[in-house]
Amino acid sequence: KNEVEQSPQNLTAQEGEFITINCSYSVGISALHWLQQHPGGGIVSLFMLSSGKKKHGRLIATINIQEKHSSLHITASHPRDSAVYICAVSWNNNDMRFGAGTRLTVKP
Amino acid sequence: SQTIHQWPATLVQPVGSPLSLECTVEGTSNPNLYWYRQAAGRGLQLLFYSVGIGQISSEVPQNLSASRPQDRQFILSSKKLLLSDSGFYLCAWSRAGASSGHGYTFGSGTRLTVV
Repeated sequence: KNEVEQSPQNLTAQEGEFITINCSYSVGISALHWLQQHPGGGIVSLFMLSSGKKKHGRLIATINIQEKHSSLHITASHPRDSAVYICAVSWNNNDMRFGAGTRLTVKP
Repeated sequence: SQTIHQWPATLVQPVGSPLSLECTVEGTSNPNLYWYRQAAGRGLQLLFYSVGIGQISSEVPQNLSASRPQDRQFILSSKKLLLSDSGFYLCAWSRAGASSGHGYTFGSGTRLTVV
């Protein structure tokens, strides 16, 4: 069983829709990361959070430590948001475990 | 500012040939360095990490090895590639110390196809 579970695996949305991607993990962590991987493969770190909520532009990430759950929200989605979104958790500076990713396609 | 360079971007190698992927970091000292692999249809998997020159920890037994000859240089190697080595390889760095306050920065990746 993967220590990091993401849902959904695939998501198709119309431009402008509000999008939520979920991530749950099995044990206590030091930090949770949301990453964005574009079709070329390059990965960009979107958020790193250990509690509460962070916002950057149209992206919002929340985490509930007690429930071991995090969500990534995209408001007013746009086709350029199409990518694979990966949730990852870290326990110390030398270990990081990744979810399988959520492939998001935003149609114009 | 800190930057991470990884090359080559794509590589096609025959089975049995050697491999050398290089990753360098600029703008920071004593970074923690990582090699990850993403096999087709699967998530990222940590292969090696290094907390200092010459210090390499392996997470998964495999056909690959890593070296850190300089503080900001991390090399992934193989003496003889297998078909199963095909995948997307990512280098990353993070600051030394407690992880909760520091993020990871990823390189642009190398897509390796073993034929």
